[in-house]
Amino acid sequence: DIQMTQSPSSLSASVGDRVTITCQASQDISNYLNWYQQKPGKAPKLLIYDASNLETGVPSRFSGSGSGTDFTFTISSLQPEDIATYYCQQYDNLPRYTFGQGTRLEIK
Amino acid sequence: QITLKESGPTLVKPTQTLTLTCTFSGFSLSTSGVGVGWIRQPPGKALEWLALIYWDDDKRYSPSLKSRLTITKDTSKNQVVLTMTNMDPVDTATYYCAHIRDGAAFDIWGQGTMVTVSS
Repeated sequence: DIQMTQSPSSLSASVGDRVTITCQASQDISNYLNWYQQKPGKAPKLLIYDASNLETGVPSRFSGSGSGTDFTFTISSLQPEDIATYYCQQYDNLPRYTFGQGTRLEIK
Repeated sequence: QITLKESGPTLVKPTQTLTLTCTFSGFSLSTSGVGVGWIRQPPGKALEWLALIYWDDDKRYSPSLKSRLTITKDTSKNQVVLTMTNMDPVDTATYYCAHIRDGAAFDIWGQGTMVTVSS
């Protein structure tokens, strides 16, 4: 099974900061990587698909990059409404789906 | 507009079988390429994919839970049903169903339903 290692597990940043979260796959997954945002008590929301494609309606301050085993999720300028837990998710050709352990983002 | 909503018991006893229903609108599970998946999240923990069913009745399961899961669809009712046998307190979680796009991304999610396993 493909394992996803997401880091950091928690992060505190100030409004306006650039925030970066990483996700590492245990084997090459090409660009089969998505990113989700989950606010407390809510269902996850798809932000980035296929590593770098912004989902329709998602603000452009969110971005993703990477391929193979190493991926990065970035918020270019943190806003108060971005407080949430972020998850990466990979999919393979079986298909099977694996989520990372999540990154809890807080305002400093 | 695609919507999904989960329904089922909020409390089950250990060893019992859990049956959850996902009722959806805005798409048809008879349309080529369409799929619906189930994902769960224990309190304070990460998301875990459970199962997925496609328009052609192709079914996929998490390897770690495959022996306990069954996913079915009723196209006429726009429903997907997940059963999980031999429930244990560690299965206490919020269970979500979600529309999957291109077999890759869960793009629309239900609100989730909390299931507690306790005697």
